[in-house]
Amino acid sequence: SQTIHQWPATLVQPVGSPLSLECTVEGTSNPNLYWYRQAAGRGLQLLFYSVGIGQISSEVPQNLSASRPQDRQFILSSKKLLLSDSGFYLCAWTGEGGSWQYFGPGTRLTVT
Amino acid sequence: AQSVAQPEDQVNVAEGNPLTVKCTYSVSGNPYLFWYVQYPNRGLQFLLKYITGDNLVKGSYGFEAEFNKSQTSFHLKKPSALVSDSALYFCAVRDRAGGYQKVTFGIGTKLQVIP
Repeated sequence: SQTIHQWPATLVQPVGSPLSLECTVEGTSNPNLYWYRQAAGRGLQLLFYSVGIGQISSEVPQNLSASRPQDRQFILSSKKLLLSDSGFYLCAWTGEGGSWQYFGPGTRLTVT
Repeated sequence: AQSVAQPEDQVNVAEGNPLTVKCTYSVSGNPYLFWYVQYPNRGLQFLLKYITGDNLVKGSYGFEAEFNKSQTSFHLKKPSALVSDSALYFCAVRDRAGGYQKVTFGIGTKLQVIP
């Protein structure tokens, strides 16, 4: 069966520090991968999506970036965090031909 | 552009009573519609989807949703609410002609089931 992992589960970082969040998927190949941010526990904002290795599309301009170095690995990064980067970050995937998304457990990021 | 509206910030219902969580949508073409549930500090879990066919869709945990094309609605329902149903519910829409990335989520409705 398919599984999606995210780590770390929680993270507290000072303003201006770098960030690296990791998402990995097991039990499937060539998934479409997504990064969302959920602020204030409500609506989801799509940050990045990827349809293949090295293929990243950005939905909103920001100081975050994403990379997909392997088929089932999706990384969210920042060189310098801002207070406004605080939130709950969710990774998700869909399989080829799949219609709904499977979400990971999320990473709670607090920028202080 | 596609959009989803969840007009109720919170829905309160007594345990054992029927519940409805409202969702309306807007897409240029034919929609794929989804409901997800989120428990505190967890990821979203898929509940059900409408792709085509029967307008009444049955999903996980006894939930169902009715697709109404004329009213562009996809309300989530359950005949008898449980306390454990208390969570945040998201409606989502995708234009069938769009790519997998073009999923739009509503802002969520908090469901509180009162014992």
